[in-house]
Amino acid sequence: EAGVAQSPRYKIIEKRQSVAFWCNPISGHATLYWYQQILGQGPKLLIQFQNNGVVDDSQLPKDRFSAERLKGVDSTLKIQPAKLEDSAVYLCASSPDRGFGNTIYFGEGSWLTVV
Amino acid sequence: AQSVTQPDIHITVSEGASLELRCNYSYGATPYLFWYVQSPGQGLQLLLKYFSGDTLVQGIKGFEAEFKRSQSSFNLRKPSVHWSDAAEYFCAVRGNTPLVFGKGTRLSVIA
Repeated sequence: EAGVAQSPRYKIIEKRQSVAFWCNPISGHATLYWYQQILGQGPKLLIQFQNNGVVDDSQLPKDRFSAERLKGVDSTLKIQPAKLEDSAVYLCASSPDRGFGNTIYFGEGSWLTVV
Repeated sequence: AQSVTQPDIHITVSEGASLELRCNYSYGATPYLFWYVQSPGQGLQLLLKYFSGDTLVQGIKGFEAEFKRSQSSFNLRKPSVHWSDAAEYFCAVRGNTPLVFGKGTRLSVIA
């Protein structure tokens, strides 16, 4: 079974530029998550989708971050304009549904450096 | 809201020695508890999880964890550490929101 796929793996951009990350969850998984992991910290949830609807985006900085999952499968996370403090690993994850007992599977992450 | 505390930022153990990584959680009801491992440059891999039942759970790679409700703890253990266990370990709790992670414990293994 293929895991969660993310691209690009690494990106370096200048501040005020834009960047987009793509995620393809495990086939059949209805719930998709984007987490931000700053160096030395644990991952923090940015947004959760159930199929193509947003369940929780309370911690997403909406002035610069946006995310979509138009057809309920792939998802894109965009940052525009980027700030230095956005340097982090962006982890995409998926689970079969929103049930608390479901395991959440993580991709390898997209590493962003803002200079 | 739930929260997780991992008191140890960095632990160094000798290869072959036993290991215990501490995790304390805060949640009003019975939580769902997880341990993930992250190797350098990699994503998070699930080691084990606790939902209910037996408070001692077995995971992959020889790891186990014990849920202690009275202490609000879910400590991770391994009887004999291998050099390949060097990584970052995250405890996470899931209550009425998705996973909330601790800040992690970095494990170094020396010969």
